Amino acid sequence: ETGVTQTPRHLVMGMTNKKSLKCEQHLGHNAMYWYKQSAKKPLELMFVYSLEERVENNSVPSRFSPECPNSSHLFLHLHTLQPEDSALYLCASSQEPGNGYTFGSGTRLTVV
Amino acid sequence: KQEVTQIPAALSVPEGENLVLNCSFTDSAIYNLQWFRQDPGKGLTSLLLIQSSQREQTSGRLNASLDKSSGRSTLYIAASQPGDSATYLCAVNPASYDMRFGAGTRLTVKP
Repeated sequence: ETGVTQTPRHLVMGMTNKKSLKCEQHLGHNAMYWYKQSAKKPLELMFVYSLEERVENNSVPSRFSPECPNSSHLFLHLHTLQPEDSALYLCASSQEPGNGYTFGSGTRLTVV
Repeated sequence: KQEVTQIPAALSVPEGENLVLNCSFTDSAIYNLQWFRQDPGKGLTSLLLIQSSQREQTSGRLNASLDKSSGRSTLYIAASQPGDSATYLCAVNPASYDMRFGAGTRLTVKP
């Protein structure tokens, strides 16, 4: 374990379902991130939270909704997803820009 | 916009070889550069972090160098082992939250 824990590890959901991904870090970091990794594509930044406030949203569709209730927890709420949203979703944290990122093991999402 | 390129895309070597993975980036105004390892279907494991003021970092059989002026970094793996087989990712931090990743080099070390 890296100190960043993601659950569930695998998720299969229908296009009309609502589900949530969870990320938890106990490293004392102040920033948390959601990344999407699709096959044969570089990692794409989705959301960034610093001190529980969202600081960046890279034009992600509204069917993805992040939530950061405190500096240790980050959620990604999913609803009415499309099959092309199937990917590995990775959570990361860092103390601040420049101190390096720690990643979780990811959630493998399949939309059917 | 920062672009990160990794060459080669895939590499297959016999066990025991020393090897070099390459990473290039287009904007030299970076805060740091980080090398990761990713096993199939898994998350990223941090290998080495080089701050912009540093030229290299070493950890065991791994050595990473950074040349900001030319926009290049290399990851040197000494005496490769089958357990080193994985995808190696280079990521550049431009002093914002938008760390940019390369597409990775998929390494296979044959016994």
